[in-house]
Amino acid sequence: EAGVTQFPSHSVIEKGQTVTLRCDPISGHDNLYWYRRVMGKEIKFLLHFVKESKQDESGMPNNRFLAERTGGTYSTLKVQPAELEDSGVYFCASSQVIRDRKTEAFFGQGTRLTVV
Amino acid sequence: LAKTTQPISMDSYEGQEVNITCSHNNIATNDYITWYQQFPSQGPRFIIQGYKTKVTNEVASLFIPADRKSSTLSLPRVSLSDTAVYYCLVGPTSGNTPLVFGKGTRLSVIA
Repeated sequence: EAGVTQFPSHSVIEKGQTVTLRCDPISGHDNLYWYRRVMGKEIKFLLHFVKESKQDESGMPNNRFLAERTGGTYSTLKVQPAELEDSGVYFCASSQVIRDRKTEAFFGQGTRLTVV
Repeated sequence: LAKTTQPISMDSYEGQEVNITCSHNNIATNDYITWYQQFPSQGPRFIIQGYKTKVTNEVASLFIPADRKSSTLSLPRVSLSDTAVYYCLVGPTSGNTPLVFGKGTRLSVIA
């Protein structure tokens, strides 16, 4: 079974440009999460989808970040316009719910975003 | 959410047993303790989860005392490939509370 896949693995863009990160969760996983780690900092929660609905987006830094999960399958995270401080590694994770309990979260390998 | 405290880093020789202790003094009744492992350039990977006493799987053991204010991840006979960052997370498994990562413990295994 394929794990969580993220694309691209690395993206280098100039300040002011737009970048879209994609995450394909494990098939059948309703929960999808986005996390980010800025260099030297902890992994921080960004937002959580349950199917196509945003359950919690309290971690989104600002309105330059837009996440979507149309159809409840893959998700995209768009940064527009990108700023230098957006550089970091963006992780996606998915999990399912069995009898009201979340299973372990499976993480993708991350997308390294470098804004220059 | 319960805050966790772990050592910043640890070194170990190959073949030794490594124990990483995590403190979570304000753990709630419905919180579980979960450990994740992260290799460089990869996402975190689930290792083990427990609520109380002892849990063992093919990778590690997790020891949780009766008061649940701490937990110890035990890695038997580590190898160089166990070099990674290990995160202790505390939170409920029901509901929509997201995982909250701390700084983790950087384990370096040396020959």
